[in-house]
Amino acid sequence: RKEVEQDPGPFNVPEGATVAFNCTYSNSASQSFFWYRQDCRKEPKLLMSVYSSGNEDGRFTAQLNRASQYISLLIRDSKLSDSATYLCVVNIFSDGTSYGKLTFGQGTILTVHP
Amino acid sequence: NAGVTQTPKFRVLKTGQSMTLLCAQDMNHEYMYWYRQDPGMGLRLIHYSVGEGTTAKGEVPDGYNVSRLKKQNFLLGLESAAPSQTSVYFCASSPRKNIQYFGAGTRLSVL
Repeated sequence: RKEVEQDPGPFNVPEGATVAFNCTYSNSASQSFFWYRQDCRKEPKLLMSVYSSGNEDGRFTAQLNRASQYISLLIRDSKLSDSATYLCVVNIFSDGTSYGKLTFGQGTILTVHP
Repeated sequence: NAGVTQTPKFRVLKTGQSMTLLCAQDMNHEYMYWYRQDPGMGLRLIHYSVGEGTTAKGEVPDGYNVSRLKKQNFLLGLESAAPSQTSVYFCASSPRKNIQYFGAGTRLSVL
């Protein structure tokens, strides 16, 4: 079983639609959670961190459910420029170290069309 | 604002050839990482460094070596390239243990 699993999609939605992505992680020792965005043939860039209380950044809302080991990203009022691959990322601390290694999901492809 | 710079951007190698990928960051970050990204696999950590002079193995270290002689540079070496090493390689750096900043990537083909 992969440590971080995402539905690869692709999700094809019209402009203005609301779309949600889900992600599950297997390691209960996971401590930090993020969504990264990756445009075609570009590097990943941090979209937002994910907190247990849920957090919002404009049209983007992220949720974390530690009990279910589940992370979500909601995009409202989709724009053409939201077309990208969205990577679910988990930081797992191990061996009692203070350093954590990020583990990436394979990504969910989103295409927003006119 | 250079951030994280990777060189080269593209490279084609023949099986058995060697090469070094350079990653340079100007943000004074302690942590640096090398990943490879393959279709359907996501990003996988090859090696990482938590400070100058230190390196450690990641998820897929076989066939690669690294060095961090200076804080700002993290080198990834392929001693004898194989077709299985055809991939996109990303370097990243981090000021803390969480958020990472990525370079633009190196596209490597091994024939």
